[in-house]
Amino acid sequence: ETGVTQSPTHLIKTRGQQVTLRCSSQSGHNTVSWYQQALGQGPQFIFQYYREEENGRGNFPPRFSGLQFPNYSSELNVNALELDDSALYLCASSRGPGAVAKNTEAFFGQGTRLTVV
Amino acid sequence: GENVEQHPSTLSVQEGDSAVIKCTYSDSASNYFPWYKQELGKRPQLIIDIRSNVGEKKDQRIAVTLNKTAKHFSLHITETQPEDSAVYFCAARKGGSGGFKTIFGAGTRLFVKA
Repeated sequence: ETGVTQSPTHLIKTRGQQVTLRCSSQSGHNTVSWYQQALGQGPQFIFQYYREEENGRGNFPPRFSGLQFPNYSSELNVNALELDDSALYLCASSRGPGAVAKNTEAFFGQGTRLTVV
Repeated sequence: GENVEQHPSTLSVQEGDSAVIKCTYSDSASNYFPWYKQELGKRPQLIIDIRSNVGEKKDQRIAVTLNKTAKHFSLHITETQPEDSAVYFCAARKGGSGGFKTIFGAGTRLFVKA
């Protein structure tokens, strides 16, 4: 098991509400990436945080925002929730933004399953 | 736009046979290509990766090949076992000092029949 933990594991929200998801990175990792995985699809890159700053972003609207804290944990915030936001949200931590090689690449958390009704 | 296409979407093989999954990426700036295995209800786990300056890499029963010119890369699993059954994702990453971006394929569901 990896040291990446996410909370909560499951969440139900109403359309229009706001949600905050949390991710604790693995020890020694300073980079966190967030992904949205719809059922039966591959993970879609939302953004990456490195040293508390956004360090790359996918094709997601501004209502998806994030934070990274000095301990390298991270939050994903989604405003004005829409039904299509229902998905598994995964975070992955790595030793650096461009880390390669099997022992330094990103390790995923177990995900937060968000349901918007 | 940036895209990674993955084929096939479903693959069924007999135990002991080989399985091949192919991906094509669109962004020539991509320089790192990881493969992930995701079992039902579990998180994706990195199984092998390859950098753009390497054409082939092998780790026991798993190998990955990369053709930069054609922007193709493939996963090869030999001597498949029932526990290889899972969804496999390829991904292509680009980036540098301005930030990094990883694009995943849609996944291949592999069934290994005993």
